[in-house]
Amino acid sequence: DAGVIQSPRHEVTEMGQEVTLRCKPISGHDYLFWYRQTMMRGLELLIYFNNNVPIDDSGMPEDRFSAKMPNASFSTLKIQPSEPRDSAVYFCASSHAGRVGYGYTFGSGTRLTVV
Amino acid sequence: SQQGEEDPQALSIQEGENATMNCSYKTSINNLQWYRQNSGRGLVHLILIRSNEREKHSGRLRVTLDTSKKSSSLLITASRAADTASYFCATDGQGAQKLVFGQGTRLTINP
Repeated sequence: DAGVIQSPRHEVTEMGQEVTLRCKPISGHDYLFWYRQTMMRGLELLIYFNNNVPIDDSGMPEDRFSAKMPNASFSTLKIQPSEPRDSAVYFCASSHAGRVGYGYTFGSGTRLTVV
Repeated sequence: SQQGEEDPQALSIQEGENATMNCSYKTSINNLQWYRQNSGRGLVHLILIRSNEREKHSGRLRVTLDTSKKSSSLLITASRAADTASYFCATDGQGAQKLVFGQGTRLTINP
């Protein structure tokens, strides 16, 4: 398996623009997570899905953030409009409920810079 | 707020020495996990210890868990330069399948 695949690896955008981050989880995994990592706040859980259904979005900062999972092999995190404080590394991770001992598998992340 | 807090925030040792990192958490858990993050990369799962376990080994890694003190430690024996990374503990105290990560310990192994 190629692991969790995120795109793009780097994104630089201007304030006010829409940004879409993409994630392909590991085949067969039934949970998908979006995390944001910054020096100040560390790793923050934004939202997670189970079998494509959003379970907990309490970590989504505000209405400018939205996430979808239209099928088991694809998820997007959208920021509209983007602001400089959204600059961070965004990670997608997936896991299988029946294989808790294996933990999460993380993608390589998308480094977002909003100028 | 962070569920797990690692200590120390940074640790620098010589190659071959042992490295110990600690993690404290606030609520009851089902399990605690440790992850490694190399610079510019995603996190990699190292080991999971369940709340009814006190110690677990995996290669050069040894993890302990004290649920009465709500703390865990990760020991890396015979450290190597390739162990240089940040190490995070993660707990599921806020719900199954919902991991909350600490701020991490930045480990540097000097050759």
